[in-house]
Order: sequence, then C-alpha cells, then structure tokens
Amino acid sequence: DVKVTQSSRYLVKRTGEKVFLECVQDMDHENMFWYRQDPGLGLRLIYFSYDVKMKEKGDIPEGYSVSREKKERFSLILESASTNQTSMYLCASSLPGDINTEAFFGQGTRLTVV
Amino acid sequence: AQKITQTQPGMFVQEKEAVTLDCTYDTSDPSYGLFWYKQPSSGEMIFLIYQGSYDQQNATEGRYSLNFQKARKSANLVISASQLGDSAMYFCALTLMNRDDKIIFGKGTRLHILP
Repeated sequence: DVKVTQSSRYLVKRTGEKVFLECVQDMDHENMFWYRQDPGLGLRLIYFSYDVKMKEKGDIPEGYSVSREKKERFSLILESASTNQTSMYLCASSLPGDINTEAFFGQGTRLTVV
Repeated sequence: AQKITQTQPGMFVQEKEAVTLDCTYDTSDPSYGLFWYKQPSSGEMIFLIYQGSYDQQNATEGRYSLNFQKARKSANLVISASQLGDSAMYFCALTLMNRDDKIIFGKGTRLHILP
C-alpha cells in the first residue's frame, strides 16, 4: 500500500521557535509538495521539489524553507514560527511529467503556534 | 496565470439525491489534467477522479462522474445517489503538461448530506 507519512499529526510550538515538519514517501516519487490549508482559502502551495536537492517556491514561501537531501524525504522548516503560521500542513508526492498521475497525500499536520 | 475556481463554499443535499459540485479553471495550456479530491473530517485527501484535456469522453468512477465542458472550461463533479458518507470537503485541482508539475487547487466545497 503506497504511503506518504507526516511525522506528527498535531504539533504545538511557541512563537519564535524553529519548527521542522517531516514527510516521507515510499513510492519512489520524484515530486514532493508542501501545502498549507486554511478555511476558505483551500490548499496553497508553499514549496515543491522535483528531485533531490531541488526546490521551487510555490505561492506562499515567505517564512518557510525546505530541505530534500534524500528522494523519499521532504522537510518543511519554519525558521521562526509565528502565530499566523498556525494551520494544517499537507505533504504530497507524485510522479513527474505525467498529468495522468494523481498526487498522494499524507494525513496532515495541524500546527498551532502560541 | 492558472487558476481553479469553486464558487460553492457549502452545499446541503438530501441523502440519495444527485449532487453537482462546480469547478471552473483557467489555463492557456492545451495539455492539462483535472482532478477531484475528497477530504473527510479526518483530514486525509482521497483521490476521486481524473479528466485529461484530450480525453474524448467524460470520466466516470463508480458513483462519481466528471462533467467536462472544455469550451466553457468547466469540470463539474457529479455524485449520484448521495450517501451520508459523502459529507466532506471536495477540492478540484489542475496540473499542466510541459510545465512544472505543481498542482493548483481550488478553495473547496463543503458538502453536507442530510438524512
């Protein structure tokens, strides 16, 4: 059974902390994505990666960075967490260059910054 | 710029009725794919159905069908014989061929099925 796993389901962090959200996929997918989901705004793309050590900014990269040192792992980093980063974070992966292939999602991490 | 629009923030439908969730898209690329995902209250995103821009026929998957009207740039999801378990958030999404592989999502429609 294919799987995308996010390290935490729920996370509470303090303002100013450095936060790491980890995502691992076991499907050997080249593409990996980090989205943020907020009520009324849908899913907004933060960063995505085509391959190891490759990254591209999405629509809302400010305040975030990413790391992809291994193909199966894509980490989202909040350099200095702020309360407006309280949200649901979704990781996804997909095969490259084929519009016929759906993305597979992790279960989501609900982050609260206090 | 590419865009997905879902104009229905929420819908209430009686159980066993059919329901149509609207989705319009904006792209000038000739090659693209359209997806629908379901997100129950548990949070996971479940892939439902896919339509390619060159597909001649509308996609169907069990009770789900996609009403694809290319000239109107619409890709509405139709759920036949709705069930209580269909209550969820539904997202329409767009991917582009010959571009980056990013997936663009709409804002979603929350569907409530009434017993």
